[in-house]
Amino acid sequence: QKEVEQNSGPLSVPEGAIASLNCTYSDRVSQSFFWYRQYSGKSPELIMSIYSNGDKEDGRFTAQLNKASQYVSLLIRDSQPSDSATYLCAVNTNAGKSTFGDGTTLTVKP
Amino acid sequence: DTGVSQDPRHKITKRGQNVTFRCDPISEHNRLYWYRQTLGQGPEFLTYFQNEAQLEKSRLLSDRFSAERPKGSFSTLEIQRTEQGDSAMYLCASSLAGSPYNEQFFGPGTRLTVL
Repeated sequence: QKEVEQNSGPLSVPEGAIASLNCTYSDRVSQSFFWYRQYSGKSPELIMSIYSNGDKEDGRFTAQLNKASQYVSLLIRDSQPSDSATYLCAVNTNAGKSTFGDGTTLTVKP
Repeated sequence: DTGVSQDPRHKITKRGQNVTFRCDPISEHNRLYWYRQTLGQGPEFLTYFQNEAQLEKSRLLSDRFSAERPKGSFSTLEIQRTEQGDSAMYLCASSLAGSPYNEQFFGPGTRLTVL
């Protein structure tokens, strides 16, 4: 079992819809959780950070964290074609390194 | 621009050659990380520094790989006797130790191709 699991996708949604991306992790001492967006051939770009249970909203993005279930999600509202990318979930114990999932590829169709 | 920078952006080398990559972190960040990413995979941790001290190194990392951060500013990653399996994107990230989330910000990466 990988330490951070994501559905590889691809996930396809129509423009304007809500995209829901999920992530589970195995290390219960994990403290910080991140979502990165990665366009093809580019490096990961940090879009959301969360470390308390519940929801955190930033514009069209909402991150949700449930430590009891070891589950993190990212919702993208009003999806745009420019949101088409691979979304990486990362988990950090605050001891240094982050552990990444293999990403979910999202396609937003016009 | 005060983001993370990496040099070179692309490197093509022949098997058996040595290569060295450089990373300059965000100026106020004291932590610096190296990751490796292959197609279809998430970034894989290699090593990280806090200031000039190398605090952790992946157990999966071959002894052909070495990293330094001599003055606590920029870092270099050297791969000796390259193999075709070393072909990947090498990513550098930096963060500020003690910040609430330990958010890591990535540079543009160095794409290595070993022929």
